[in-house]
Amino acid sequence: AQKVTQAQTEISVVEKEDVTLDCVYETRDTTYYLFWYKQPPSGELVFLIRRNSFDEQNEISGRYSWNFQKSTSSFNFTITASQVVDSAVYFCALSEFASGGSYIPTFGRGTSLIVHP
Amino acid sequence: NAGVMQNPRHLVRRRGQEARLRCSPMKGHSHVYWYRQLPEEGLKFMVYLQKENIIDESGMPKERFSAEFPKEGPSILRIQQVVRGDSAAYFCASSPLDETNTGELFFGEGSRLTVL
Repeated sequence: AQKVTQAQTEISVVEKEDVTLDCVYETRDTTYYLFWYKQPPSGELVFLIRRNSFDEQNEISGRYSWNFQKSTSSFNFTITASQVVDSAVYFCALSEFASGGSYIPTFGRGTSLIVHP
Repeated sequence: NAGVMQNPRHLVRRRGQEARLRCSPMKGHSHVYWYRQLPEEGLKFMVYLQKENIIDESGMPKERFSAEFPKEGPSILRIQQVVRGDSAAYFCASSPLDETNTGELFFGEGSRLTVL
């Protein structure tokens, strides 16, 4: 079973539209961490946010906001007033404590966001 | 995160050849992770290493693939006798030696392997 599900393979919007990227995760751990990364066309993954399982407070950073809901095992990412530069692949990741004694992130398949001018 | 250096950025190999991908972690980081990204798929964990020690290799194919992180020098992901299915982007990431390390990773730009 997939631990991190990003059901949206590709989303296409017009500039200035709001867009929400969905992420659903699966874990039996009580302590875990959730992340969002951005992969622009250049290829390098850029860290956006980390959330621990005990902090369900939503977070806003500029045009970006994240909605963490343990009850539905979701960690959704919203971009307000999208811009062309937001075009990228966005990955959601879950970090659980692995048998080797460390946290190793498991990534979803990514959502490709295309913002048209 | 620009501090994680991977080379080569692009590598072309013929079937049966060997591919060596190198990764130098960010300064001060002693943990290295390798992930593989296949077309239309997400990042798949391969191996997690500390200096001179493989911590978790649960994602490594059983044959032809190996990884090391020596005391001196970069981490190396080695693929022997490459096949077309090995064509992918291989990403290295690093994190600090920190008891609070929660899996936040700093990625390199990736090495794109093409097998002809």
